[in-house]
Amino acid sequence: EVQLVESGGGLVQPGGSLRLSCAASGFTFSSYAMTWVRQTPGKGLEWVSLITGSGGGTYYADSVKGRFTISRDNSKNTLFLQMNSLSAEDTALYYCAKVILSLHDAFDVWGQGTMVTVSS
Amino acid sequence: ERVMTQSPATLSVAPGERATLSCRASQNVYTNLAWYQQKPGQAPRLLIYAASTRATGVPARFSGSGSGTEFTLTISSLQSEDFAVYYCQQYNNWPPLTFGGGTKVEIK
Repeated sequence: EVQLVESGGGLVQPGGSLRLSCAASGFTFSSYAMTWVRQTPGKGLEWVSLITGSGGGTYYADSVKGRFTISRDNSKNTLFLQMNSLSAEDTALYYCAKVILSLHDAFDVWGQGTMVTVSS
Repeated sequence: ERVMTQSPATLSVAPGERATLSCRASQNVYTNLAWYQQKPGQAPRLLIYAASTRATGVPARFSGSGSGTEFTLTISSLQSEDFAVYYCQQYNNWPPLTFGGGTKVEIK
C-alpha cells in the first residue's frame, strides 16, 4: 500500500524552528518528486515546496523562500521540511504529497498532515 | 503567478442531481490542471488530472473538461459521499503551483 506519514509538527514560538518529516512506503521513493502543501485551519490549500526525485532540484513559494528548506533521504524513504524564522502566518496543517510522474504533474498520494502552530 | 478562481464558492445540490463546478485560470495552463476532493478532517484526494483523466479508483460519475483558462468538474449524480470541498490546481507554470479557493458542495 502506498502511504505517506508526516510527523514533527507541534507548538513553536515565533522566530523558532521546526523540522517536519514524511515517511514514504509502498513505492520507489527516489523515482518521484515530492512536495509540501499547507492548509490554514478552515482555509484553502497553499503549495509550499517541491523537490525532485534525486533531490537535485528544489522549489519554494515566495512566502517561505529563504526560511524553509526541503530535502530528502532516499536511503530512508523520507522527505523533510526544515522551517526556520517561523511566524504566526506559518500556522497550518502541513501535508506531504507525491507527484504522479513528471515535474509538471498533479499530486496523487497525500499524507494525513501534521499540524504546526506558531504562538507565544 | 497563475491565479485560479473557482465558482461558485458554495453549491447546494440534492442527492441524485448533477453538479457543475467551474475553475478559471488567469493565464493559459493548457490541460495541466487537476481537481481534488477534500472531506472534513481528511487530506485532499486526487480526482482528475490532465484536465480530464480520472485518477485510479475515481467513480465514472466524476468527469473533467476544459483547456486553456476554463475548466469544469461535473458530478453526474451526487451521492452522499460526494458532499465535500473541491479544489482545482494548475501545474503548468510554476513556481508557484497554485490552487483555487475551493467550492463547497453541500446538501440542498
